[in-house]
Amino acid sequence: GAGVSQSPSNKVTEKGKDVELRCDPISGHTALYWYRQSLGQGLEFLIYFQGNSAPDKSGLPSDRFSAERTGGSVSTLTIQRTQQEDSAVYLCASSLAPGLAPETQYFGPGTRLLVL
Amino acid sequence: GENVEQHPSTLSVQEGDSAVIKCTYSDSASNYFPWYKQELGKRPQLIIDIRSNVGEKKDQRIAVTLNKTAKHFSLHITETQPEDSAVYFCARGQNFVFGPGTRLSVLP
Repeated sequence: GAGVSQSPSNKVTEKGKDVELRCDPISGHTALYWYRQSLGQGLEFLIYFQGNSAPDKSGLPSDRFSAERTGGSVSTLTIQRTQQEDSAVYLCASSLAPGLAPETQYFGPGTRLLVL
Repeated sequence: GENVEQHPSTLSVQEGDSAVIKCTYSDSASNYFPWYKQELGKRPQLIIDIRSNVGEKKDQRIAVTLNKTAKHFSLHITETQPEDSAVYFCARGQNFVFGPGTRLSVLP
């Protein structure tokens, strides 16, 4: 079946503008994760959704960042009043429910965000 | 804390030699440990994983060993090839905390 998809693949915006990044997880995957990866750096956890449970927002770097997952499927990551330090690749991943093997996270291709 | 430490940060080996990357963790409740490979400009992809009820798992040239007592797990790549060059990330389950990555370069 189809893998995790993300849109847009690239986004260039001006400082101060809002952006929305979209993630379509693999059908049937109840867990969805957002990560941020700056150039040459590791994966920085942002937020985690699992089914209908309250999301784990512990990784969001500031209140300018928010995410929602409607209908338990598609997720949108919103960055308000973007700053240059927000420039990075934003990766989405999905998996079956934690504890339900296999727990493999499947990553999307990412959205490369550049804030000028 | 929940951090995962990973060493070394960079590793260069000659083609055909072995490469070993080690990760340590602190959360004793962790029971799932995957390794991801990320080639330049591409998404991370799972290459091997291990659950806490086994000490070693092997898939062709790749193996992972787990020492739950010492809280560390290692990735072993034998007979390295140039296409193994990438950044490798370890992670532990339960919210998937990732290590900082190891940049492996296999020199022809």
